[in-house]
Amino acid sequence: SQQGEEDPQALSIQEGENATMNCSYKTSINNLQWYRQNSGRGLVHLILIRSNEREKHSGRLRVTLDTSKKSSSLLITASRAADTASYFCASYSGYALNFGKGTSLLVTP
Amino acid sequence: NAGVTQTPKFQVLKTGQSMTLQCAQDMNHEYMSWYRQDPGMGLRLIHYSVGAGITDQGEVPNGYNVSRSTTEDFPLRLLSAAPSQTSVYFCASSYGGRGSEKLFFGSGTQLSVL
Repeated sequence: SQQGEEDPQALSIQEGENATMNCSYKTSINNLQWYRQNSGRGLVHLILIRSNEREKHSGRLRVTLDTSKKSSSLLITASRAADTASYFCASYSGYALNFGKGTSLLVTP
Repeated sequence: NAGVTQTPKFQVLKTGQSMTLQCAQDMNHEYMSWYRQDPGMGLRLIHYSVGAGITDQGEVPNGYNVSRSTTEDFPLRLLSAAPSQTSVYFCASSYGGRGSEKLFFGSGTQLSVL
């Protein structure tokens, strides 16, 4: 079953702006992951945040996790046209990694 | 470094035909899985394997069969294709089967069933 749900479904911003995507999940987790999918390609892992972490950074990415609210957010700072893609959160239920439906991000020059 | 390789990239089938989608990884990963991606539905897990000889069902296993005879290969078989199986299929793998690792994805197989 789909564990996570991203919000918004679609986001359109201009280059240089920040993009924030949110994810809500249903059950307790060991970690939460974010993936990116460029059009017509496979998913690429971006970042993993463990349940005992509240915030994690990787380059222009910042992920937060609030286990009390069962939510996470992905912030992309200073967006570029190359960031145009779909972004998915995912978490494990047993051995199954379940994905949300994704946020489609469009960054225009 | 090939990573996860899926073949074919595109396939058109007629209803009732059978076929096998191939997936191979060269990273010595224990865990392998198959997803299908449909518009507006995100990714849904079909089957997964935590090691050679061990497979289990995911969210949408009906109409699909898998086996894992080697660590490297995890083929997905469509027994009798139906139009509802028109989708993009992704194979993925990870180092550990402990339900905590990041996945490496193949580039996908776009399947149309007429």
